[in-house]
Amino acid sequence: DAGITQSPRHKVTETGTPVTLRCHQTENHRYMYWYRQDPGHGLRLIHYSYGVKDTDKGEVSDGYSVSRSKTEDFLLTLESATSSQTSVYFCAISRTSGGQETQYFGPGTRLLVL
Amino acid sequence: QQQVKQSPQSLIVQKGGISIINCAYENTAFDYFPWYQQFPGKGPALLIAIRPDVSEKKEGRFTISFNKSAKQFSLHIMDSQPGDSATYFCAARGAFGNEKLTFGTGTRLTIIP
Repeated sequence: DAGITQSPRHKVTETGTPVTLRCHQTENHRYMYWYRQDPGHGLRLIHYSYGVKDTDKGEVSDGYSVSRSKTEDFLLTLESATSSQTSVYFCAISRTSGGQETQYFGPGTRLLVL
Repeated sequence: QQQVKQSPQSLIVQKGGISIINCAYENTAFDYFPWYQQFPGKGPALLIAIRPDVSEKKEGRFTISFNKSAKQFSLHIMDSQPGDSATYFCAARGAFGNEKLTFGTGTRLTIIP
């Protein structure tokens, strides 16, 4: 599991409330990613980080912000949750395997916005 | 814009049969093509990956076939088993190791006895 944990694993919230999801890694990897997974869309990149305080947007970043104040933690915040943000959220890290940099995923957070 | 197209969306195969999932890409700068396997309630896990300098890569019962001129690649699962029932995602990435992955939309594979 590449030493990745996500918290919470499940969350139910109401429209308009802020929500923060946490990704924690234990292997000191530089690159970290947040994806959302929805039926018919596969995995879509929300934001990624290439170091402490260094982040950039992915393809579906609207309504989301991220922060990385420590190497091991990458936080995803839904500033004002909407029903369209109901999804499963995955964190990933990039690690070398077989001579290739490859992404490894955490267990996911299932978010329901009512 | 979907840069990696995956088919079929769902697939049912009898135990012992061959499961085949296809992907096509548009961006000729893609240089690394991994496949991920995902079981319900779990995160995607790297299954097998290929670079375009080879046409085929085999790991156990899993084989990737790659056709660079057609910009297509496929996953073959030989002697499919019920434990292979999962969702499979193809993906593609540029040449640099930390470039972003672009994923296909996934194939739900069910192996029936």
